[in-house]
Amino acid sequence: DAKTTQPTSMDCAEGRAANLPCNHSTISGNEYVYWYRQIHSQGPQYIIHGLKNNETNEMASLIITEDRKSSTLILPHATLRDTAVYYCIVRVGSFGNEKLTFGTGTRLTIIP
Amino acid sequence: DAGVIQSPRHEVTEMGQEVTLRCKPISGHNSLFWYRQTMMRGLELLIYFNNNVPIDDSGMPEDRFSAKMPNASFSTLKIQPSEPRDSAVYFCASSLYYNEQFFGPGTRLTVL
Repeated sequence: DAKTTQPTSMDCAEGRAANLPCNHSTISGNEYVYWYRQIHSQGPQYIIHGLKNNETNEMASLIITEDRKSSTLILPHATLRDTAVYYCIVRVGSFGNEKLTFGTGTRLTIIP
Repeated sequence: DAGVIQSPRHEVTEMGQEVTLRCKPISGHNSLFWYRQTMMRGLELLIYFNNNVPIDDSGMPEDRFSAKMPNASFSTLKIQPSEPRDSAVYFCASSLYYNEQFFGPGTRLTVL
């Protein structure tokens, strides 16, 4: 699986959009970008994933660059409950490739 | 849906004792994962099963660790004998094939 690079930490004001970047310059054509987050002492939680098109769900939006070498997770209106460590993971999305490899992630702090 | 259930939530034991962690995946899921999280090593995959069959156990640290999945609704992770360096939070997760993984609340293990 391709490696990812994320900033160690970020701050965002409550109510503003939080934009979390991720670099994955060695991504292969059949690898998806997944985002999970881990709120303190809880198990990680799936947020969103995508291949090459931008994706949106009730939690967030995922913007993937045209060359697929980087992506941005957007939390449109951050709340204090969004304070967590966010993990960007690249993985082939097919049977037999269920393994997730977590890096160090970005610690996002929402400021009141 | 109750989500992934893990027991016990906390375990304190003495070095040399056997420890058994338990997991009940979400009904209908056919992939089950065991992860370990420590401050030093982060979140790492120990082993995962597809349809009750171990697929990748390359993350199991050594022979003291063993995992079983006797049926689709139950899995155990056993450490025998336990050592202080095994102290960590152990997460179980389940998924339907390579779709998003749902994590349990974790078991916090302390080996004295």
